[in-house]
Amino acid sequence: EIVLTQSPGTLSLSPGERATLSCGASQSVSYNYLAWYQQKSGQAPRLLIYGAVHRANGVPDRLSGSGSGTDFTLTISRLEPEDFAVYYCHQYAASPWTFGQGTKVEIK
Amino acid sequence: DVQLVQSGAEVKKPGESLKISCKGSGYGFSTYWIGWVRQTPGKGLEWMGGMYPADSDTRYSPSFQGQVTISADKSINTAYLQWTSLKASDSAIYYCVRGTGSSHHAFHNWGQGTPVTVSS
Repeated sequence: EIVLTQSPGTLSLSPGERATLSCGASQSVSYNYLAWYQQKSGQAPRLLIYGAVHRANGVPDRLSGSGSGTDFTLTISRLEPEDFAVYYCHQYAASPWTFGQGTKVEIK
Repeated sequence: DVQLVQSGAEVKKPGESLKISCKGSGYGFSTYWIGWVRQTPGKGLEWMGGMYPADSDTRYSPSFQGQVTISADKSINTAYLQWTSLKASDSAIYYCVRGTGSSHHAFHNWGQGTPVTVSS
């Protein structure tokens, strides 16, 4: 099973700042089958990025994904109020598909 | 617009059976993978498995194989997740998720979630 480790656990930032979220995999994620989701309190997760770098429909371009192999990053260039949430990475390369434990982005 | 609408919250006793549902609309139900993800405070998000309704190809996570059954009724665009004997540890929020036509896919759409509470 591929274990995904996200860091940091919590990111305390102010609106307008840059956020960098990391996701490390215990084995290489084939074909960069790595996705990122955002979850707000009381809501279902929402797909942001798939294939490591492709933005899902309606996702603003201030969010971007990068990385390959075992190291992946989600970057939010300038935090807006609606970006404060929990973010999860997810690999769908090898069964069982797995999720990271999440990074909470909170207002400083 | 793609929508996944799940059945409502459930409260059950250990040993009881349960079947929850997820109705898809706004897309060709049969030709997209549809699956289930469990969320708990302790273990976070866990992929349970999925099905390709067109040919009923079904894949399970080893953690859930034999514990649940995933099925679908193409005639009414609805997927199901079923238990024959619930345990307290099955208490969670269950999300249905829509993938793509490929067997490897991210979850492009999520249902609103079905909370399940199993308690004596």
